[in-house]
Amino acid sequence: GQSLEQPSEVTAVEGAIVQINCTYQTSGFYGLSWYQQHDGGAPTFLSYNALDGLEETGRFSSFLSRSDSYGYLLLQELQMKDSASYFCAVRDQGSARQLTFGSGTQLTVLP
Amino acid sequence: DGGITQSPKYLFRKEGQNVTLSCEQNLNHDAMYWYRQDPGQGLRLIYYSQIVNDFQKGDIAEGYSVSREKKESFPLTVTSAQKNPTAFYLCASSIEATAYEQYFGPGTRLTVT
Repeated sequence: GQSLEQPSEVTAVEGAIVQINCTYQTSGFYGLSWYQQHDGGAPTFLSYNALDGLEETGRFSSFLSRSDSYGYLLLQELQMKDSASYFCAVRDQGSARQLTFGSGTQLTVLP
Repeated sequence: DGGITQSPKYLFRKEGQNVTLSCEQNLNHDAMYWYRQDPGQGLRLIYYSQIVNDFQKGDIAEGYSVSREKKESFPLTVTSAQKNPTAFYLCASSIEATAYEQYFGPGTRLTVT
């Protein structure tokens, strides 16, 4: 089956850069997504990587290495509003191409 | 505004009762999903529907049922057979079943005592 690992908590200060890692084990990998969820709220889509390399969207970037089964989300110029949970999710053949989510990383941004 | 609505936001039920959670979308999306989220955990897929009148079980379908009679609506029934129903339930939709972006509703927090 599929499994994803990401750190449970990360803390950083406002203005800093933080990297949230995600390693996965899948069968028939299609892509890695990242979602943000504020406490008690709805997850919102941040990025998707199907191919190796870096995808940049404003202050957020996402990286994928398929050979290492590894990806990360990079958040730059951290703001207080970035405090949230961040989930990586894989789409693979083993789950009928549906998303399988990691347990999430709680990011706390300190002033 | 286009989006997904779930109602109610909070729901309380007694053990042994079935309860139906509402999910409606006006995004004209073909695919819809139900996820369950427990404290400090990720989202687990309960059921998904790729098109009207079709749905498939996800990873944790036992004790749940769904219907997809209209494109806009995908209600979830939590039956008395679900052993631990207290959780946060999230509905989502996407343009089609393998789209990489899913849009989520605000969720329903169900408490069963």
